[in-house]
Amino acid sequence: ETGVTQTPRHLVMGMTNKKSLKCEQHLGHNAMYWYKQSAKKPLELMFVYNFKEQTENNSVPSRFSPECPNSSHLFLHLHTLQPEDSALYLCASSQVSGAGVAETQYFGPGTRLLVL
Amino acid sequence: GENVEQHPSTLSVQEGDSAVIKCTYSDSASNYFPWYKQELGKRPQLIIDIRSNVGEKKDQRIAVTLNKTAKHFSLHITETQPEDSAVYFCAAIRNSGGYQKVTFGIGTKLQVIP
Repeated sequence: ETGVTQTPRHLVMGMTNKKSLKCEQHLGHNAMYWYKQSAKKPLELMFVYNFKEQTENNSVPSRFSPECPNSSHLFLHLHTLQPEDSALYLCASSQVSGAGVAETQYFGPGTRLLVL
Repeated sequence: GENVEQHPSTLSVQEGDSAVIKCTYSDSASNYFPWYKQELGKRPQLIIDIRSNVGEKKDQRIAVTLNKTAKHFSLHITETQPEDSAVYFCAAIRNSGGYQKVTFGIGTKLQVIP
């Protein structure tokens, strides 16, 4: 349960606030992910980082800004969010090889975000 | 891009009965198919997975089958127990140029009635 941690666990913010979500993985993985989980929708992949380089941005609005200072830490900076951005934000990590072998993703506990 | 369809969206079974959840995928390059269980208020956790070179895998009461030709895979839970109640997600993953492309199904809410 402590392999991937996220803080804060709950966050309430106004539309004009700026906040950051933090994720840390202790598994020695080289890839990290941000997902958005809303009711009645599939998990939505937002950003992917491999070896600290952003390799995927799934058309996420610019009010979400990721940062990956090293392979163990991942941040999601939030500014001028909208009420529809309220959701559970999950971080995950995995080990990715260049040999084409896909591996399991391990999830953090998530940050429950409410935008007022 | 990849599209993963999962059904049913909700499933109620009596304790002791079996439950089956099905997923179909569109990208033939997907080669890894994990299943996650998410209990209320908790993180998704891997319960079983299967790779494209295997047709079936079993772990106690849980099994997964994969039909590559038809591009579908299924989760089977036998002798269900109340603690199996949760949301189950399938995923299709492929390793593309050294990074993973992941697509999740919409999830199935399983309720096991005591």
